[in-house]
Amino acid sequence: QQKVQQSPESLTVSEGAMASLNCTFSDGTSNNFRWYRQHSAKGLEVLVSIFSDGEKEEGRFTAHLNRANLHVSLHIREPQPSDSAVYLCAVSMINAGAKLTFGGGTRLTVRP
Amino acid sequence: NSKVIQTPRYLVKGQGQKAKMRCIPEKGHPVVFWYQQNKNNEFKFLINFQNQEVLQQIDMTEKRFSAECPSNSPCSLEIQSSEAGDSALYLCASSLPSPSGNTLYFGEGSRLIVV
Repeated sequence: QQKVQQSPESLTVSEGAMASLNCTFSDGTSNNFRWYRQHSAKGLEVLVSIFSDGEKEEGRFTAHLNRANLHVSLHIREPQPSDSAVYLCAVSMINAGAKLTFGGGTRLTVRP
Repeated sequence: NSKVIQTPRYLVKGQGQKAKMRCIPEKGHPVVFWYQQNKNNEFKFLINFQNQEVLQQIDMTEKRFSAECPSNSPCSLEIQSSEAGDSALYLCASSLPSPSGNTLYFGEGSRLIVV
């Protein structure tokens, strides 16, 4: 059964400093990785999707995937206080109906 | 961002009462998921549909929930007899079918409080 773990549990950065979040997964056959964020008690906003090893950039958000190391990371360039939220890593297979397995989340706080 | 519409945003039910939540998926998305998110940020997959057909569901959903995604009507998830442990945020998500890519777009959720 897929296990997805995120670190750190919480992270505080100053506005403008790079924020880096980590996610490890257990099933090396996974090929569908997404980062979502959730502002308090609201729905999930998809930030970036990545399906193959390497890097994928969407605006200020960059995901790095290394499937051999069972690791996917998210880097947030020039974070702003409005980026303060819980960031969730979600892992699945690419096929319709494939269930996402979520990590426990990283709570990011960006100080002005 | 997402155009998945969930109603109601909040509902409060007594133990043993029914609790019904609705979801309008994003236009053109035939795949619909329901997840339960508890206060510890733990997500539990409940059920998913493609068009009107159930693809997968967990035992709890089969035994205690009623869910459907009729054509031309909102999808719904109904707990038949609410329990305290059902208090959570219920998230609906929709996506295109593969191979177009299956990013799940989530609604804002329905928060259920069982008193």
